[in-house]
Amino acid sequence: DAKTTQPPSMDCAEGRAANLPCNHSTISGNEYVYWYRQIHSQGPQYIIHGLKNNETNEMASLIITEDRKSSTLILPHATLRDTAVYYCIVRVGNQGGKLIFGQGTELSVKP
Amino acid sequence: DSGVTQTPKHLITATGQRVTLRCSPRSGDLSVYWYQQSLDQGLQFLIQYYNGEERAKGNILERFSAQQFPDLHSELNLSSLELGDSALYFCASAFSPLGGEQYFGPGTRLTVT
Repeated sequence: DAKTTQPPSMDCAEGRAANLPCNHSTISGNEYVYWYRQIHSQGPQYIIHGLKNNETNEMASLIITEDRKSSTLILPHATLRDTAVYYCIVRVGNQGGKLIFGQGTELSVKP
Repeated sequence: DSGVTQTPKHLITATGQRVTLRCSPRSGDLSVYWYQQSLDQGLQFLIQYYNGEERAKGNILERFSAQQFPDLHSELNLSSLELGDSALYFCASAFSPLGGEQYFGPGTRLTVT
């Protein structure tokens, strides 16, 4: 699985968009980008995933660059409840189930 | 609420003891995963079961074992406990054995004294 690089921490004002970057320059053609988040000591929560195209669901949007070497998770209107550690995970979509978590980005949403 | 349940929520025990952690997956999910989260190691994959069969193993210690029962619930057994086993233990479930969309339970916090 490709290695990912995320900033250790970010701040965002409540109500503003939170843009969380992830670099995965060694990603292979069959590897997907997954995002999870973990609110303090709770179980990680699946957010979104994508292969090439941008994806959007009720929680967030995922923007993947054309060369697929980086991606951005966008929380359009961050709330205090979005304060969490966000993990970007790159893995082959149909090869085994385990998730390999890195250190993630600690997002603090401030009033 | 992910639909995955774990019991107990907290567990305090002494070194050398044995404990069993229980997980019930979401309705319809056949795959169960166990993860350990400690302060120094982060979230680490331990083991995966799919429809009763072991599917994948991570860095699971020999003192640890798991199984998945016919009703699909799973148990993680930790024996000869050491102080370093103190951690949060999460169970996750998924329908597919291969997919990356997993649903995590609230975890069991194990404290070994």
